[in-house]
Amino acid sequence: ETGVTQSPTHLIKTRGQQVTLRCSSQSGHNTVSWYQQALGQGPQFIFQYYREEENGRGNFPPRFSGLQFPNYSSELNVNALELDDSALYLCASQNFGNSGRAGRYEQYFGPGTRLTVT
Amino acid sequence: KNEVEQSPQNLTAQEGEFITINCSYSVGISALHWLQQHPGGGIVSLFMLSSGKKKHGRLIATINIQEKHSSLHITASHPRDSAVYICAASNDYKLSFGAGTTVTVRA
Repeated sequence: ETGVTQSPTHLIKTRGQQVTLRCSSQSGHNTVSWYQQALGQGPQFIFQYYREEENGRGNFPPRFSGLQFPNYSSELNVNALELDDSALYLCASQNFGNSGRAGRYEQYFGPGTRLTVT
Repeated sequence: KNEVEQSPQNLTAQEGEFITINCSYSVGISALHWLQQHPGGGIVSLFMLSSGKKKHGRLIATINIQEKHSSLHITASHPRDSAVYICAASNDYKLSFGAGTTVTVRA
């Protein structure tokens, strides 16, 4: 158990709809990253939030957006869902200290939310 | 070309055998991570290393920074080691993942 929780566990949506996924970070962690993992592939970095600000973004369109709250929990929002958005969505938390540079800090992953778009 | 390449893609071993998974990366990194993913999706961090070698139980991870190569070894493999093993390279803020190696250990 990493202390990182995600909700919901599974979700089925229709193409064109919007979805919000939630992540609760491990206690004391000020940074959360979101990843998309398609079936049979490795995770792909979506974006990262550090102290409520976006700290980096991968190659995902603007319809993927996020929020981080003062308690460091986070949301991933996806608008105008497409069939290819079907995937496992993982969040991971870590503590950067004050530098905002994550490279040497271990990430703790949540169990994931499996999204199916029909 | 992916920034992180793993081999083999799939691996089947008999219980007790020695297993090696290889990872090559093409980017500058702060650290190299080895992760384990079981069916159902949850990812567990096994190792984070930036030089040399680390050992935890029957698992050993090594990294050669000059050659941009890392290996994960499983000694005396057991059916409970069956999982997907993923290497990931971290830079300032993100992880770049390999596609994973599916390991099946038969009793």
